[in-house]
Parts: sequence; structure tokens; C-alpha cells
Amino acid sequence: DQQVKQNSPSLSVQEGRISILNCDYTNSMFDYFLWYKKYPAEGPTFLISISSIKDKNEDGRFTVFLNKSAKHLSLHIVPSQPGDSAVYFCAANAGGTSYGKLTFGQGTILTVHP
Amino acid sequence: DAGVTQSPTHLIKTRGQQVTLRCSPKSGHDTVSWYQQALGQGPQFIFQYYEEEERQRGNFPDRFSGHQFPNYSSELNVNALLLGDSALYLCASSHQAGYTFGSGTRLTVV
Repeated sequence: DQQVKQNSPSLSVQEGRISILNCDYTNSMFDYFLWYKKYPAEGPTFLISISSIKDKNEDGRFTVFLNKSAKHLSLHIVPSQPGDSAVYFCAANAGGTSYGKLTFGQGTILTVHP
Repeated sequence: DAGVTQSPTHLIKTRGQQVTLRCSPKSGHDTVSWYQQALGQGPQFIFQYYEEEERQRGNFPDRFSGHQFPNYSSELNVNALLLGDSALYLCASSHQAGYTFGSGTRLTVV
């Protein structure tokens, strides 16, 4: 039972353009959502998060949008840079925090071409 | 300031054996969580330790057990290894805030 799904295994974008990564969830108890980035041979690193009481959160080049009625969230990266090339995971928590039991999606490999 | 340290980085075990993985949390962190990441999948929550007690557990069999020591470091033990236990095992530490992940231990069961 995949409660968090990232349906695009990979995404290729030109440097300077927008990258949009998508994530869907099925569990309506999830109330906190996070995006992580992972480089090879490293652990995931936190990017940005959003609480279910909000529909948008921005941090520099990164913006996360949450559509609760559609159970969908997306991560926008503008402008995309070659250093953004990594695997991106969305994750969800039903405890309203960023450090409880997180349920992760399968990941999307982002490649940003110079 | 060292982040989360995991050891060993890689190991190979035979089916049926037992394995112990170790994690030292980031300085100031008192909570340790373990995740299993199979190839091509996202991390899956195994369990979380706080004050030397298992606080939360994911959907993993009893073959997976853990321990947290008074210095907040933690061990993950897996008994009766199966081929399907081959994965990257990630440790994450926290203190009332978001996780810091280690680089993981790559376990291969042959």
C-alpha cells in the first residue's frame, strides 16, 4: 500500500528553467509534508516543508504547493541549476512534525542540463 | 560539528546470519530513527528510539530490533537475514526538530 507516490521516476530540465516535481498521497491523516534531496553516497538532506494548514511555502528558489482536496503536493525549483541534479523524495507525517514516522515516496531523479 | 555517523559503510552477510549496524547521532540530538531504503525505493521507517525506549515502530518483523544507549547512540540488529534485507540502512537523528540523516550502511545479503 503505497501511501505516498511520486509517479515520475525521472525529470530532465534545462539550466535556468523551472523544475516541477509532483507527489500524491492517499492517507488523509497526513498533516505535515517534506521534500528531501539525495546525492549518491550521501543521506537525504532536508529542503523544504509545509504544514497542512498552509497551501504554499517558499524558501529561496524552492516553493512547495499543497492541494489538500486533491491530496497532491509539488515542488517548484526556479531557476534550476546543474547542482540541483539529485534524487528528490517527498515525505509525509501524520503527527504534525518533521521528525516522527515519515512515509516517503519512491523518488524522482532530477537532471538539470547546462 | 560532526553530523550523523554510521558504521560500517558497507558489509556483506550470508543468508541466515545476524548483523548489527551502528549510529552516532549529531551532537545535541537525543532521538534516533532507522530507515531501510531498498534499491529504487524511498526510505521506509523501521523504528524510533528516545530515552533508550522504542517510541514508534514501522511495519517490520521482529527480526529487526534496536537499542539506544545512554549517550544516545543506537544499534540496529537484524536476525536470520533474508536476501530481501539487502538495502541501504539510514540512521536519522533529531531533537524536537527535523531529521539529520547519516550516509547509511549498504548491506548486501548473499
